[in-house]
Amino acid sequence: EAGVTQSPRYAVLQEGQAVSFWCDPISGHDTLYWYQQPRDQGPQLLVYFRDEAVIDNSQLPSDRFSAVRPKGTNSTLKIQSAKQGDTATYLCASSRTAYEQYFGPGTRLTVL
Amino acid sequence: GDSVTQKEGLVTLTEGLPVMLNCTYQTIYSNAFLFWYVHYLNESPRLLLKSSTDNKRTEHQGFHATLHKSSSSFHLQKSSAQLSDSALYYCALLSSGSWQLIFGSGTQLTVMP
Repeated sequence: EAGVTQSPRYAVLQEGQAVSFWCDPISGHDTLYWYQQPRDQGPQLLVYFRDEAVIDNSQLPSDRFSAVRPKGTNSTLKIQSAKQGDTATYLCASSRTAYEQYFGPGTRLTVL
Repeated sequence: GDSVTQKEGLVTLTEGLPVMLNCTYQTIYSNAFLFWYVHYLNESPRLLLKSSTDNKRTEHQGFHATLHKSSSSFHLQKSSAQLSDSALYYCALLSSGSWQLIFGSGTQLTVMP
């Protein structure tokens, strides 16, 4: 079974630029999560979907971040106007149940 | 809210010695599920262990942990460290209140020859 895939693996931006991250979950997993992991910290949930519906986006900075999963499969996380504080690794995970999440390799973002 | 504490950011030990990585948690909800994730360099984080019922030990790949609700702990242990155990280890909490994983800050384990 193929794992969770993410692209790009790395991104370097200037402040104010936009960036999109893409995630392809494991086939059959209805739940998809986006996490932000700043350096030397654990992953922190930004948003999660069940199928195409957003279940919780309370931790997503809504003024600059957006996330969609239009067909309940792949998902895109977008940062409209990046800030230096957004520098982090962005992890995508998918699951069938809440008890076991499978993580992708992450996208390491650096905002200069 | 829910929280997970991993007090040691970095643990360095010699191959063959026992491993113990500490994890404590806080939740107001009665049902709590604890997990250990391992993150090897250049790989994706993956689930290592998940908790069972209170005071019951769970084991996987030579590692074991026991959920102790009385002390809100789920420490990760291994009797004899191997070089290949060097990785970042995260403890995570899933409470019946939020049904979201809350991660600790992680412990970097380095095993030296």
